[in-house]
Amino acid sequence: GQSLEQPSEVTAVEGAIVQINCTYQTSGFYGLSWYQQHDGGAPTFLSYNALDGLEETGRFSSFLSRSDSYGYLLLQELQMKDSASYFCAVRVESGYALNFGKGTSLLVTP
Amino acid sequence: DAGITQSPRHKVTETGTPVTLRCHQTENHRYMYWYRQDPGHGLRLIHYSYGVKDTDKGEVSDGYSVSRSKTEDFLLTLESATSSQTSVYFCAISLDRANTEAFFGQGTRLTVV
Repeated sequence: GQSLEQPSEVTAVEGAIVQINCTYQTSGFYGLSWYQQHDGGAPTFLSYNALDGLEETGRFSSFLSRSDSYGYLLLQELQMKDSASYFCAVRVESGYALNFGKGTSLLVTP
Repeated sequence: DAGITQSPRHKVTETGTPVTLRCHQTENHRYMYWYRQDPGHGLRLIHYSYGVKDTDKGEVSDGYSVSRSKTEDFLLTLESATSSQTSVYFCAISLDRANTEAFFGQGTRLTVV
């Protein structure tokens, strides 16, 4: 089986930086993805890491360490609109399933 | 927006009745997924498909069946709905196995009374 662990809630101040961690346990590993979901909306893709290191996309960056089975999403220059749930997801090598963590609810305060 | 449509968007049904949710895509993506989302549980995979007539179970497949007779349509059926299946259901599609990006439909809110 597999499991993904991420914090359930994070609060940060507008303009600050926040890091959302994700640890995973899988029998095989293909890559780690991050998705954002606003209340009442559908999840939308943010980033993907297949190799170790940092991927940067504007204010958002994502990091992966395959040896540590660990990744994180870094959000910089936080804005109120960043208040949302953030999910990490893994695809395993042995199949086609895409499995998600339980999500981290980010609240950005003024 | 990716061309992915779920229908219906909302449905209320009675316990014990059959229900079918439809996911339609215009992107010709090979992979399609059905998830349910419940508070405290995140997105849980019900079933997925990796081609026409090729489907497999996810972690919460009990009580659900799926069919994919055409590339563009992936149907999720609750043979006999139960109150525990009250949830928001999301369909997702992805182009390739590496799945660098998956696109989600807008969801179907199902209430079983």
